[in-house]
Amino acid sequence: NAGVTQTPKFQVLKTGQSMTLQCAQDMNHNSMYWYRQDPGMGLRLIYYSASEGTTDKGEVPNGYNVSRLNKREFSLRLESAAPSQTSVYFCASISGGSSNQPQHFGDGTRLSIL
Amino acid sequence: AQTVTQSQPEMSVQEAETVTLSCTYDTSESDYYLFWYKQPPSRQMILVIRQEAYKQQNATENRFSVNFQKAAKSFSLKISDSQLGDAAMYFCAYRSGGTNDMRFGAGTRLTVKP
Repeated sequence: NAGVTQTPKFQVLKTGQSMTLQCAQDMNHNSMYWYRQDPGMGLRLIYYSASEGTTDKGEVPNGYNVSRLNKREFSLRLESAAPSQTSVYFCASISGGSSNQPQHFGDGTRLSIL
Repeated sequence: AQTVTQSQPEMSVQEAETVTLSCTYDTSESDYYLFWYKQPPSRQMILVIRQEAYKQQNATENRFSVNFQKAAKSFSLKISDSQLGDAAMYFCAYRSGGTNDMRFGAGTRLTVKP
């Protein structure tokens, strides 16, 4: 019962370094999401992928890129990390389509950029 | 883009009492879904309750119920017989039925006093 798996769980980067956060789900879900969570601001959508082969920008896409590698995997890349990107990152997935199914979340990645 | 507003950053309730958390949203869509999630200190995101926009009847899940006012674009959560384990951050969320774009409010921190 893995659900949504995020790696790594913690990471410390220096400003300017690059990093890819990995996310995989084993529920055959169509849609996958990346959020960042900052104190007092809730979860903000970075990018999402409604289905394999498609990606769309969310509220805060600047400084990030994503890849929907296949149906299972959706990665988030920081090309040149900045201190403002220090946050907790969550990946989520849903079965997709017009349904009331809730999102399934990973456990989060705590990323610190010095 | 849709926005979700939670106007109460913090709320407190006495154990066994009832508390209502507020949520409003802005959308021009007719097909959408609304959710309340709970996030305890473990960071795990836990679905509390969901509501389809096309349903007039308010959703209930044991001690949790919603007051869904579609015309007012309001979706409040009522917790009855509050328990110490209800203490957490609560997030209201909106998902578009057409695009699967999903947005969260900034959250309400609920404290339960013994």
